[in-house]
Amino acid sequence: AQSVSQHNHHVILSEAASLELGCNYSYGGTVNLFWYVQYPGQHLQLLLKYFSGDPLVKGIKGFEAEFIKSKFSFNLRKPSVQWSDTAEYFCAVTPFTGGGNKLTFGTGTQLKVEL
Amino acid sequence: GAVVSQHPSWVICKSGTSVKIECRSLDFQATTMFWYRQFPKQSLMLMATSNEGSKATYEQGVEKDKFLINHASLTLSTLTVTSAHPEDSSFYICSARDSTGSQPQHFGDGTRLSIL
Repeated sequence: AQSVSQHNHHVILSEAASLELGCNYSYGGTVNLFWYVQYPGQHLQLLLKYFSGDPLVKGIKGFEAEFIKSKFSFNLRKPSVQWSDTAEYFCAVTPFTGGGNKLTFGTGTQLKVEL
Repeated sequence: GAVVSQHPSWVICKSGTSVKIECRSLDFQATTMFWYRQFPKQSLMLMATSNEGSKATYEQGVEKDKFLINHASLTLSTLTVTSAHPEDSSFYICSARDSTGSQPQHFGDGTRLSIL
């Protein structure tokens, strides 16, 4: 079975600072990778996803993530955060084939951006 | 975009009662829906996969008689927490798979269940 590890549970940044949230997964086969964001009081929304091809994927709101297969990592980045990026961020993985699209989530990272 | 509606958003009830939570896909058909449980400061844990017209598939450790799932139509799945107890208090989230879209799942807003 797959598992996902997010190293940072709480991150506090000032506006305009750069962001990198770590995500590592464990699975014996090929995976699809996702980052979801949950703003306060809202449902989970997809930020970006990696299925295949260019390992550097760009998502909404200026976020990007890089899939490094050798490190089993899919870290999320943003060059300059805004106050509105305050939210909880979840990394998730699903097997490339089979698995019924079942998502396995990491424990989440709470990001707080201060003015 | 695809919308999943979950109802109710918050419910408080007495121990021993049963609570039903609805999950609807509003603008697409969902042959598969998923039910998650989220404890404070923890990740979403998949409870079961709900398939339209067939029995749900439960994850290991989830009591199927405790958490009844019904997926009678392509737009509606329900989760009933039977004889709820305080330890069942949690945040329950559903998601629906849009087989025509590029996203694996669209999520509802969640239901905060508090058992007194």
